[in-house]
Amino acid sequence: DAGVTQSPTHLIKTRGQQVTLRCSPKSGHDTVSWYQQALGQGPQFIFQYYEEEERQRGNFPDRFSGHQFPNYSSELNVNALLLGDSALYLCASSLSLTKNIQYFGAGTRLSVL
Amino acid sequence: ELKVEQNPLFLSMQEEKNYTIYCNYSTTSDRLYWYRQDPGKSLESLFVLLSNGAVKQEGRLMASLDTKARLSTLHITAAVHDLSATYFCAVDDNAGNQFYFGTGTSLTVIP
Repeated sequence: DAGVTQSPTHLIKTRGQQVTLRCSPKSGHDTVSWYQQALGQGPQFIFQYYEEEERQRGNFPDRFSGHQFPNYSSELNVNALLLGDSALYLCASSLSLTKNIQYFGAGTRLSVL
Repeated sequence: ELKVEQNPLFLSMQEEKNYTIYCNYSTTSDRLYWYRQDPGKSLESLFVLLSNGAVKQEGRLMASLDTKARLSTLHITAAVHDLSATYFCAVDDNAGNQFYFGTGTSLTVIP
């Protein structure tokens, strides 16, 4: 049983560019949450998707957007990249009935130059 | 603004010693989570504490929750090198829709 998979593992972009990160949840999971983890910090909640809709959003600007597909996989899009967007982006999946039990992917390391 | 604070931020301890990591939070959440993160790796769930007074143990680690004091502790007994990692506590909004993480405690166990 594959766990949460994220792609790509590493990404280098320049300021002003746009990036798309992808996440496939653990088999059977229908809820996907995205986190940003800056170096030396704890993960910060970006948003959560369920039934293809954004259910909850953290304190992130509109440059951060997402999508969930019918197969429950999800994408995180970041527009107009800033140097400060450099971080590890983590995806976590859960079951809607037991949302508190999250499984995390290995993350995508984004570097903005 | 909701805050989740951990202390210490850095902990260097000798093998076979005991120590406690503290997690204070400012929300009224009744649910608290502990995760482990190895360098360059993702987060591994250690404990899920869902009520006041909850205590869970796994190997050399024991976690407890006092929702009235808004405090959780992660106690390490007879530390071994394999426990070296960064430990995070987190609370949610009591609905599992939004999680708030602490800044982490970086633990190094010295032989």
